[in-house]
Amino acid sequence: DTGVSQDPRHKITKRGQNVTFRCDPISEHNRLYWYRQTLGQGPEFLTYFQNEAQLEKSRLLSDRFSAERPKGSFSTLEIQRTEQGDSAMYLCASSFLGTANYGYTFGSGTRLTVV
Amino acid sequence: GIQVEQSPPDLILQEGANSTLRCNFSDSVNNLQWFHQNPWGQLINLFYIPSGTKQNGRLSATTVATERYSLLYISSSQTTDSGVYFCAPSNPPESSASKIIFGSGTRLSIRP
Repeated sequence: DTGVSQDPRHKITKRGQNVTFRCDPISEHNRLYWYRQTLGQGPEFLTYFQNEAQLEKSRLLSDRFSAERPKGSFSTLEIQRTEQGDSAMYLCASSFLGTANYGYTFGSGTRLTVV
Repeated sequence: GIQVEQSPPDLILQEGANSTLRCNFSDSVNNLQWFHQNPWGQLINLFYIPSGTKQNGRLSATTVATERYSLLYISSSQTTDSGVYFCAPSNPPESSASKIIFGSGTRLSIRP
């Protein structure tokens, strides 16, 4: 297993366009998380899944954001009608709930720039 | 939600020095992790430590859950230790609060 993969690494889009990011977690992990990080800040929680069920969404996640995890495998995060304030690093992490130690493994992130 | 405070915000050390990073949190925790974010942005999990003490090479961590703080020790620091260190706890109940919340981090710079 090569860890958590995120695609694309970088995305530049014009304001008002839709963008979609993909995350492939570690295969045996049943939990998947999305975070957003802006310059100089710690990552902020957006949403998480256990298997295919989306269990929690942050109030930060406006109606323009949607996330899915079909079949409990990879996940996608879509942002509709992007705004300049959406520019950030979008981070995906996975973990396995069911063992005594379920530390998160993060991917390398997708850096979004809205121009 | 749980509040996380990390100190110091910035730390500059010479190679070979030791350091202690502190994380205070406002509520009881059932999950606490320490991460290192390297200069390229990759977050590396250092420790899962909701309580007790763990060691991994030159790094060790201690969480005193009853007093709501955790410490990360770095000994004989190297330039590759530079980056931002984040503390990220989660508070119970596990069924509804299983995401970790990040502090604002300690930026560590190790000079050769």
